[in-house]
Amino acid sequence: KAGVTQTPRYLIKTRGQQVTLSCSPISGHRSVSWYQQTPGQGLQFLFEYFSETQRNKGNFPGRFSGRQFSNSRSEMNVSTLELGDSALYLCASSFGRGTEAFFGQGTRLTVV
Amino acid sequence: SQQGEEDPQALSIQEGENATMNCSYKTSINNLQWYRQNSGRGLVHLILIRSNEREKHSGRLRVTLDTSKKSSSLLITASRAADTASYFCATDPSFSYGGSQGNLIFGKGTKLSVKP
Repeated sequence: KAGVTQTPRYLIKTRGQQVTLSCSPISGHRSVSWYQQTPGQGLQFLFEYFSETQRNKGNFPGRFSGRQFSNSRSEMNVSTLELGDSALYLCASSFGRGTEAFFGQGTRLTVV
Repeated sequence: SQQGEEDPQALSIQEGENATMNCSYKTSINNLQWYRQNSGRGLVHLILIRSNEREKHSGRLRVTLDTSKKSSSLLITASRAADTASYFCATDPSFSYGGSQGNLIFGKGTKLSVKP
C-alpha cells in the first residue's frame, strides 16, 4: 500500500514569497498532521486535521496555515517567508488520534 | 517545547552489538512511538506502545515503558550497519480524562552509528 506522499520534495524560495506544500495521506487515513524540523528546534508540531477540520494547532505565527480536503489530502501554506522558515516540513497520516502516525519523506524548504 | 529527552545523544557501536536508547518525558501520555530517521529524510515508524503496556517487541526491537518513571527504552539487538540513523521517541500527550491531544511531542533524538 502506498505511503504518505509529499510534494514537492525540494523548494527554494525568496524571503517575502509564499509557499504551498502538499500531502497525500495513506489510503483510509483521515487524520493529517504537519511538523517542522530544524537543527535548532528539532521536530515541532504545526497542525492536526481530521475530516477537513483543524483540531489542534502548534505555537507558530499566523503566517503558517493549512487545510484539508474531502479526500483527506492536505496542504499547508506559509506566507511572507522568512529565512528562519528554512526547514524540513513533514506530514504524517493516521486513522485518528492515539494510533500509529506514518510520515512522508518531507519537503525541504530553503528560503534565501 | 520538547517533552521527550533521549539519552544518549550519540551512540557508536560495532555490528552485532546491542544498542539501547532511553527516553524521558514530562506529562501523562496516551502512547509513545519510536521513529528512525536517515540523514534528514522522512521518519520511519518503528513501534507504538500504549500507556497500559509495559513491553513490546517487533523483530530485533524491544521497547519498554515505565509510566511511573515517565521513561521508555528502545533496544535494538544484533545491530547492523543499516541501523545507522537517528532515533526519536515521540509522546502522544493525553488530556486529564485520558484522551489523546492529537499531537506528537518529539525529543531531540539519539544518533546511532553502527560500524561494520
